[in-house]
Amino acid sequence: GDSVTQMEGPVTLSEEAFLTINCTYTATGYPSLFWYVQYPGEGLQLLLKATKADDKGSNKGFEATYRKETTSFHLEKGSVQVSDSAVYFCALKVGGGADGLTFGKGTHLIIQP
Amino acid sequence: DAGITQSPRHKVTETGTPVTLRCHQTENHRYMYWYRQDPGHGLRLIHYSYGVKDTDKGEVSDGYSVSRSKTEDFLLTLESATSSQTSVYFCATRGEVDTQYFGPGTRLTVL
Repeated sequence: GDSVTQMEGPVTLSEEAFLTINCTYTATGYPSLFWYVQYPGEGLQLLLKATKADDKGSNKGFEATYRKETTSFHLEKGSVQVSDSAVYFCALKVGGGADGLTFGKGTHLIIQP
Repeated sequence: DAGITQSPRHKVTETGTPVTLRCHQTENHRYMYWYRQDPGHGLRLIHYSYGVKDTDKGEVSDGYSVSRSKTEDFLLTLESATSSQTSVYFCATRGEVDTQYFGPGTRLTVL
């Protein structure tokens, strides 16, 4: 079946540091890939997505590139802020059917001032 | 953000009691989903709906049932709650593109 693997953390960085959160996947077909962010006490918000190989999703300074050859979708940000502290989920969806997303276990990111 | 509300937001109940969680959306999205979030597991799909009265099981459907009598409402029922169903429950919706939008969640504690 489909699966998503990501580091669980917590990942602790200092403000203005460079961020990478790794995400790799296995899929039975050709997936769309997503990063969601969950701030404390809230639901998940879509951060960015990519639907085909070599697409780059970007939002709020975060970027991720769909790498089919390495089955990866790593999340990066050049300079993190305290407000980026949250849990980040990588997810995939194969095809346009009605079933839901397949999520990784989430990565807890802590940014220290 | 899609207009998704969940009720109640918090609930404490006892083992063996029935519990119903409600999800309401104002976006007229066709697809609706129930997930549970547990430490070390991420989010796992419980049930989903692809139209009024059209539902199907997800990865962790045992002990849960759902109903969708109107486009805007999707109910999740625990017929007889167990401690293993203590979790945070999220509703999500999707229109015709592949992006899902999530509600604020319901924290359920089963004692």
